[in-house]
Amino acid sequence: DIQMTQSPSSLSASVGDRVTITCRASQTINTYLNWYQQKPGTAPKLLIYDASSLKSGVPSRFSGSGSGTDFTLTISSLHPEDFASYYCQQSYDTPFTFGPGTTVDLK
Amino acid sequence: EVHLLESGGDLVQPGGSLRLACAASGFTFSSSAMSWVRQAPGKGLQWVAGISGGGASSHYADSVKGRFTISRDNAKNILYLQMRTLRAEDTAVYYCTKMLNNVVVPAYNWFDPWGPGTLVAVSS
Repeated sequence: DIQMTQSPSSLSASVGDRVTITCRASQTINTYLNWYQQKPGTAPKLLIYDASSLKSGVPSRFSGSGSGTDFTLTISSLHPEDFASYYCQQSYDTPFTFGPGTTVDLK
Repeated sequence: EVHLLESGGDLVQPGGSLRLACAASGFTFSSSAMSWVRQAPGKGLQWVAGISGGGASSHYADSVKGRFTISRDNAKNILYLQMRTLRAEDTAVYYCTKMLNNVVVPAYNWFDPWGPGTLVAVSS
């Protein structure tokens, strides 16, 4: 199975901050990497697919990059509604696997 | 608009069985692969199973292989997850999610959207 890791596991930030979350795969997955946002008590929502493609309707302050084994999710300027957990997920092969998540909370 | 709604979650004893359902609307159900993803309380996301649009092909996580069966009724637009020999570690919110393609693989694929989830609790 492809193992996914994320760093940091949590971070504290302020509105307006630039936030970067890193995701690493245990083997190359090309660009088959997706990012999801989850708020407490709700289902995850797709933000970024294929490593860097922004889902329609997602604010442009979100961006993704990377290929191979190393990927990043960047929020250019944190908004109050962005405090949430973020998960990366590889779709290179089954079983599909998720990173353990990164929680972004208010400093 | 795509809409997914899970049902069937309950409290069940270890060793018991349960069938989850996911009612889908707003898209051509038979043209989309579907998956179940679960989340244990306070934990991360785990993909459980996926099925192709036509239902001929299914894939499972090792942790549920042989105990869970994913299926679909394309005439009724319903996705199912039959769970048997349930264990405490199966306790989770189970989400139904639509995939981009008609098949669980190839790699250009993702989960979008997700239903609100249904809670399965396995405890004596």
